[in-house]
Amino acid sequence: KAGVTQTPRYLIKTRGQQVTLSCSPISGHRSVSWYQQTPGQGLQFLFEYFSETQRNKGNFPGRFSGRQFSNSRSEMNVSTLELGDSALYLCASRRGTGGFSEQYFGPGTRLTVT
Amino acid sequence: DQQVKQNSPSLSVQEGRISILNCDYTNSMFDYFLWYKKYPAEGPTFLISISSIKDKNEDGRFTVFLNKSAKHLSLHIVPSQPGDSAVYFCAASYGQNFVFGPGTRLSVLP
Repeated sequence: KAGVTQTPRYLIKTRGQQVTLSCSPISGHRSVSWYQQTPGQGLQFLFEYFSETQRNKGNFPGRFSGRQFSNSRSEMNVSTLELGDSALYLCASRRGTGGFSEQYFGPGTRLTVT
Repeated sequence: DQQVKQNSPSLSVQEGRISILNCDYTNSMFDYFLWYKKYPAEGPTFLISISSIKDKNEDGRFTVFLNKSAKHLSLHIVPSQPGDSAVYFCAASYGQNFVFGPGTRLSVLP
């Protein structure tokens, strides 16, 4: 079974620009979550989507948004980039259809804002 | 306020010895706990989990212990191998919520 894939793997943007990151979950997984990882901060939860609906949201400004498509693929958008947005952005998928299911992570997109 | 804490940012252990990684949580609503391992330039990979109705779960060299009254869990790796060198994240879950700790970097020295 193919794992979670994320594109692109690396990205360099300048302040003020916007960026879109993409995530394809494991086949059959309907839940996709996004996390931001910065040194010393662990994984900060951004949001979770299930069946094209945002089910949960972390404490990030409105510049961070996401969506999920009918095939469960998800995109994350960050507008008006700031230097502090430089981080590894991780996507995770899970079945999410009831009961507990662990998350499986993609390799991440390394975003550098200059 | 960090709901999941890993107070040791790093840990060094000799190959063949036991590695003990600790995690504390504050929210008594958490009912599932997990450990993930992360290598550089890769996403975290699921290692082992434990439900709040258990106090121990074992999988090969990895054992997770849960002390609900102390809101504490630990991951034991025996014996430790150089390939275990990575960052370990503790995570806690309830409902649809997942909360990760800041991670502990484990170095297993040959």
